[in-house]
Amino acid sequence: EPEVTQTPSHQVTQMGQEVILRCVPISNHLYFYWYRQILGQKVEFLVSFYNNEISEKSEIFDDQFSVERPDGSNFTLKIRSTKLEDSAMYFCASALRRGGYNEQFFGPGTRLTVL
Amino acid sequence: AQKITQTQPGMFVQEKEAVTLDCTYDTSDPSYGLFWYKQPSSGEMIFLIYQGSYDQQNATEGRYSLNFQKARKSANLVISASQLGDSAMYFCAMSGVGGSQGNLIFGKGTKLSVKP
Repeated sequence: EPEVTQTPSHQVTQMGQEVILRCVPISNHLYFYWYRQILGQKVEFLVSFYNNEISEKSEIFDDQFSVERPDGSNFTLKIRSTKLEDSAMYFCASALRRGGYNEQFFGPGTRLTVL
Repeated sequence: AQKITQTQPGMFVQEKEAVTLDCTYDTSDPSYGLFWYKQPSSGEMIFLIYQGSYDQQNATEGRYSLNFQKARKSANLVISASQLGDSAMYFCAMSGVGGSQGNLIFGKGTKLSVKP
């Protein structure tokens, strides 16, 4: 069964460093998302991506964040200058339109630790 | 703005019994979707069930059913015949439909523990 994959599973970085989190969505999906979950808290929406551009973004997704789909298969989230509060689990999701909604399949997540 | 409220931080249930996890929501959109996800201790998010706001019948998927009461803005998850493997965090979520890209807004979750 096709699944969303994410690499790395765990990344440790120093404050102020740039990180790139990678995702390979399910191949025929058209909608892509990034979410984050700070330890012990709820999952928060960051950004959605459709037709090669950002379609929606949350207040969390400020100028330090960017997304790309560089080669038609990978979907990346870049954090330019990490802060301690960026430590969280980052989930990628992809979706197909199914009837009236997007059924989102989540990847296993990347745990980012900023020291 | 859309909002999801899960008022039960933790729940216990005896194996083989049924359990209801509460979820209420708030939205001004006429069309929306409601979802439940399971997050085991391993961390992945597993889709369980979906209910559209215009669906006439409550959604069911195997042992999962969604008790949708539109007038009360509630979308409770019912798990029948609980199993030890059901122990996990459960998140209720909402999205827009139609032209929306379907971004999910999550509640804070309920931690379900199934006792043998």
